[in-house]
Amino acid sequence: DAGVIQSPRHEVTEMGQEVTLRCKPISGHNSLFWYRQTMMRGLELLIYFNNNVPIDDSGMPEDRFSAKMPNASFSTLKIQPSEPRDSAVYFCASSFADTEAFFGQGTRLTVV
Amino acid sequence: TQLLEQSPQFLSIQEGENLTVYCNSSSVFSSLQWYRQEPGEGPVLLVTVVTGGEVKKLKRLTFQFGDARKDSSLHITAAQPGDTGLYLCAELKSGSARQLTFGSGTQLTVLP
Repeated sequence: DAGVIQSPRHEVTEMGQEVTLRCKPISGHNSLFWYRQTMMRGLELLIYFNNNVPIDDSGMPEDRFSAKMPNASFSTLKIQPSEPRDSAVYFCASSFADTEAFFGQGTRLTVV
Repeated sequence: TQLLEQSPQFLSIQEGENLTVYCNSSSVFSSLQWYRQEPGEGPVLLVTVVTGGEVKKLKRLTFQFGDARKDSSLHITAAQPGDTGLYLCAELKSGSARQLTFGSGTQLTVLP
């Protein structure tokens, strides 16, 4: 298996633009997580899905952030409109039941 | 909310030295995981500890879970440059869907 696949690896966008981050979890995994990592706040959970259903989105910063999981093999995290303070590395992770969470390589987002 | 504090925040040592990093909580952990994150990559699971007083070894790495399950330590013997990375502890909550709460991390640099 190729592991959790995220795209793009790097994204530079102007303030106010829409940004869409993509994630393909490991096949067979039924939980998917979106995390954000910054120097100031470390690794923060934004939202997680179980069996494609959002279970807890309390970590989503504000209404500008939204996440979807239309099927078991694909999820998106969208920021609209983007702001410079959204600059961070965004990680997607997946797991099966109570076993190990596998992380993707992340998307480094820079909003200028 | 569980607060996980890691210390030290930064650690720079010479190859061959021993070191210990710590993870402390304001309350009892359900179970605890340690991750290592290398630059440009996502965190990778090293170990999971569940039982108070538990000790696990992974080659030169020794993980200990406190008797009261409120603290944990990671000891590295004869550190090597390949051990360089960000070491993160995380609480693994039990329930119908698992999620992780990460500590702030210890950035370890092992100089050749």
